[in-house]
Amino acid sequence: SSELTQDPAVSVALGQTVRITCQADNLRTYYASWYQQKPGQAPVLVIYGKNNRPSGIPDRFSGSTSGNTASLTITGAQAEDEAAYYCNSRDYSGNHWVFGGGTKVTVL
Amino acid sequence: QVHLVESGGGVVQPGGSLRLSCAASGFTFSRDDMHWVRQVPGKGLEWVALIRYDGSNEFYADSVKGRFTVSRDNSKNTLYLQMNSLRAEDTAVYYCATKGDVVLPTAIYTKFDYWGQGALVTVSS
Repeated sequence: SSELTQDPAVSVALGQTVRITCQADNLRTYYASWYQQKPGQAPVLVIYGKNNRPSGIPDRFSGSTSGNTASLTITGAQAEDEAAYYCNSRDYSGNHWVFGGGTKVTVL
Repeated sequence: QVHLVESGGGVVQPGGSLRLSCAASGFTFSRDDMHWVRQVPGKGLEWVALIRYDGSNEFYADSVKGRFTVSRDNSKNTLYLQMNSLRAEDTAVYYCATKGDVVLPTAIYTKFDYWGQGALVTVSS
C-alpha cells in the first residue's frame, strides 16, 4: 500500500507564509486533499484537487502538486491557523485511502 | 446543512464487540458513499472503511479487515460500523465522513467533505 509522508512540525511567524508538503508515489492519479484539525475538533477539508477550496475556507490557503509531492501553502498565517494538517489520497488499488502522519503548524 | 452524528461509543473489554451508528441529515444520504476514519487520541488519522452509496461494495483497512463490518440503512439515513474481536489498539475516536471524490477523465480528486464530531471507543479490561 502507499504511504504519505509529512514533516511532523513546522513553525511560522504571524503574517508570514508556510508551506507543508506531502510525498507519495501516486499523486498524479489521485490528487491529495488537505484537512485542518484543531484540538478536540473533527478535521475540516481545506484544499482538494489541483487547488480547490471548499466554501468558507479563506483564500490564504492554497494547494499545488509537483511530481510526487503535494503542498499546502498558508499565505499570511493567522493565529487561528495553528492546528494539525493532514494530507490524504488513495493507494494504488484505488480502493484504500491513506492519510499522512500530520504536520503540526505553530504560529509564533 | 450537512449534519453527521456518531453514537454508540464506550468502554469494551478486549475481544468484545460494539456497534457505532452515524445519523446523517442535510443531504441525500442514499446517493453518497460513506467513510469511517479513526484517530488514536493524540495521534494521526487512519482510514478504516468505505461503503458504497447503495451498500453494494465495502472496502476495509488491513488493520480491521475480517473484524469490522460497515453497513448502512438508507431508509433511516444511518451508517453503521460493527466492531468485533476488539483489541486495545482499536481504542480511538471514530468519525464518519462523506466521500465527495471528483472523478475526471485523467485524475481523481479525493476528498472527505463532511465529518461527524466523533465517538470514543475504549478497549480495556
